[in-house]
Amino acid sequence: DIQMTQSPSTLSASVGDRVTITCRASQSISRWLAWYQQKPGEAPKLLIYQTSTLESGVPSRFSGTGSGTEFTLTISSLQPDDFATYYCQQYNRDYTFGQGTKLEIK
Amino acid sequence: QVQLVQSGAEVKKPGASVKVSCKASGYTFTSYDINWVRQATGQGLEWMGWMNPNSGNTGYAQKFQGRVTMTRNTSISTAYMELSSLRSEDTAVYYCARLAKYYDILTGYYHYGMDVWGQGTTVTVSS
Repeated sequence: DIQMTQSPSTLSASVGDRVTITCRASQSISRWLAWYQQKPGEAPKLLIYQTSTLESGVPSRFSGTGSGTEFTLTISSLQPDDFATYYCQQYNRDYTFGQGTKLEIK
Repeated sequence: QVQLVQSGAEVKKPGASVKVSCKASGYTFTSYDINWVRQATGQGLEWMGWMNPNSGNTGYAQKFQGRVTMTRNTSISTAYMELSSLRSEDTAVYYCARLAKYYDILTGYYHYGMDVWGQGTTVTVSS
């Protein structure tokens, strides 16, 4: 099985900050990676697929990079609506989610 | 609009089975795979398996092999996930999600994302 490890587990930041979340795969997954955002009590929301392609309607302050085993999600200027938990997901072989990164208000 | 609507909360005893439904509307049900993902309270997302509503083909995560069955009724655009031999560790919110396919013209490969999710069904396993 492919394991996905996110860091940090929790991130404290302020509105307007630039933040980066890292996701590492236990083996190469090329660019078969997606990112999701989840708010408490809600279902996850697809943000990015193919490592860096924004899903329709997702603000351009979100961006993704990487390939192989290391990937990042960056939010260029945090907005109040962005405080949530973020998950990476590989789909190279079946599907595996990272353990999540909770983005909280500093 | 495109949506997936799941069945209501369930309370089950250890050893029992639960069957959760996921009704699709606003799109052609047979054109997109349905995946099931669960989330225990305060925990992360755990992928359980997929089903192709057109063919009925399925694929399950190794952890759930032998305990999970995913089926569908195309006449009512509904997918089902049945989990048997329930134990307390199965207490979680269960989600169905539509799998979108995105064609990369540069590589010729498809990429995927779970773009529409149900509202979640809480399953509680308790004696």
